[in-house]
Amino acid sequence: GAGVSQSPSNKVTEKGKDVELRCDPISGHTALYWYRQRLGQGLEFLIYFQGNSAPDKSGLPSDRFSAERTGESVSTLTIQRTQQEDSAVYLCASSLAGTLQFFGPGTRLTVL
Amino acid sequence: AQSVSQHNHHVILSEAASLELGCNYSYGGTVNLFWYVQYPGQHLQLLLKYFSGDPLVKGIKGFEAEFIKSKFSFNLRKPSVQWSDTAEYFCAVTPGRSNYQLIWGAGTKLIIKP
Repeated sequence: GAGVSQSPSNKVTEKGKDVELRCDPISGHTALYWYRQRLGQGLEFLIYFQGNSAPDKSGLPSDRFSAERTGESVSTLTIQRTQQEDSAVYLCASSLAGTLQFFGPGTRLTVL
Repeated sequence: AQSVSQHNHHVILSEAASLELGCNYSYGGTVNLFWYVQYPGQHLQLLLKYFSGDPLVKGIKGFEAEFIKSKFSFNLRKPSVQWSDTAEYFCAVTPGRSNYQLIWGAGTKLIIKP
């Protein structure tokens, strides 16, 4: 597609529920990144996928967070047993290997 | 731990004023440096970047930034701002030559009064 897309744009959930966030990268981009942005803070790196290499999961804050990517296409970020501190905007970016990142519009997650 | 500091969280200026937004990072080695901008209701987009070479880099919309290695700084400047520059500005750094693991500043909200 023309740009990185993410869905849903907004998600409100109850504490303890699982949520799944989706990212469609720019076609042909081999690298995909997930970030979290809490209110008033900068972006925190969560996870990085590059081609068929093992993902860099070093930024995932707990084992409740996981992400998958199918080949060089869609990625899903799953948060299990959501907590209120998970409320944030989750941003996805994609790039050609070793080049600039292009960002999606984000998913605003609110955990009640 | 590596970090990026943006000292001004909110800046309010009148049109035609000059702008300088500070960015300092804590990493002693080679870095790649970025400024991203997020206009109201829009995606994050790249404003300018520094990888190597001339430490004064020019970006889109009349913005420029100067990398001063001795000060660990990469301040963003624009000589004369416009109302359309109202946005949030983020400084980001990749320590070393890797092009992921961007480390971000907290952002500066810039409001330009018409």
